[in-house]
Amino acid sequence: DAGVIQSPRHEVTEMGQEVTLRCKPISGHDYLFWYRQTMMRGLELLIYFNNNVPIDDSGMPEDRFSAKMPNASFSTLKIQPSEPRDSAVYFCASRDPGRNTEAFFGQGTRLTVV
Amino acid sequence: GQQLNQSPQSMFIQEGEDVSMNCTSSSIFNTWLWYKQEPGEGPVLLIALYKAGELTSNGRLTAQFGITRKDSFLNISASIPSDVGIYFCAGLSNTGNQFYFGTGTSLTVIP
Repeated sequence: DAGVIQSPRHEVTEMGQEVTLRCKPISGHDYLFWYRQTMMRGLELLIYFNNNVPIDDSGMPEDRFSAKMPNASFSTLKIQPSEPRDSAVYFCASRDPGRNTEAFFGQGTRLTVV
Repeated sequence: GQQLNQSPQSMFIQEGEDVSMNCTSSSIFNTWLWYKQEPGEGPVLLIALYKAGELTSNGRLTAQFGITRKDSFLNISASIPSDVGIYFCAGLSNTGNQFYFGTGTSLTVIP
């Protein structure tokens, strides 16, 4: 398996534009997590899904952020409209139901909003 | 959310030296994890601890689950340049669903 795949790796966008980040979890994993990493706040959990259903979105900073998981192999994190303070690295991670203590991370998407 | 504080925040050491870092929490965790993140990559699991007092090794890495269940320690012996990266502790929530990450310790190894 290729691991958790995120796209794009880098995104530069202008303030006010819509941004969509994509994630393909490892096949067979039933949990999917979206994290945001910044120097100031470290790794913050934004939302997680279990069997494609959003379980806890309390970490989503505001209504401009939304996440979907239409099927077991794909998830998106959307920011609309984007703001400069959204600049960060966004990670997707998935977890194997048989090894529930390990989350496998993607390489992340570095988002810069100018 | 849960607060996990790591110290030190950063370390600069000579190759061959041993490294110690720790992580403390305001809450009890039943599972502690240590991850390493290299530049441009996502975190990768190094060691998982499941029981208070447990001491687990993975090569030159040794981690301990504190007796109070509110702290954990990671030691790296005989550091090498490829140990460079950011080390994160993480606690698994009691529901077993969420990981809470520490603030990270940045390690630089000088050859």
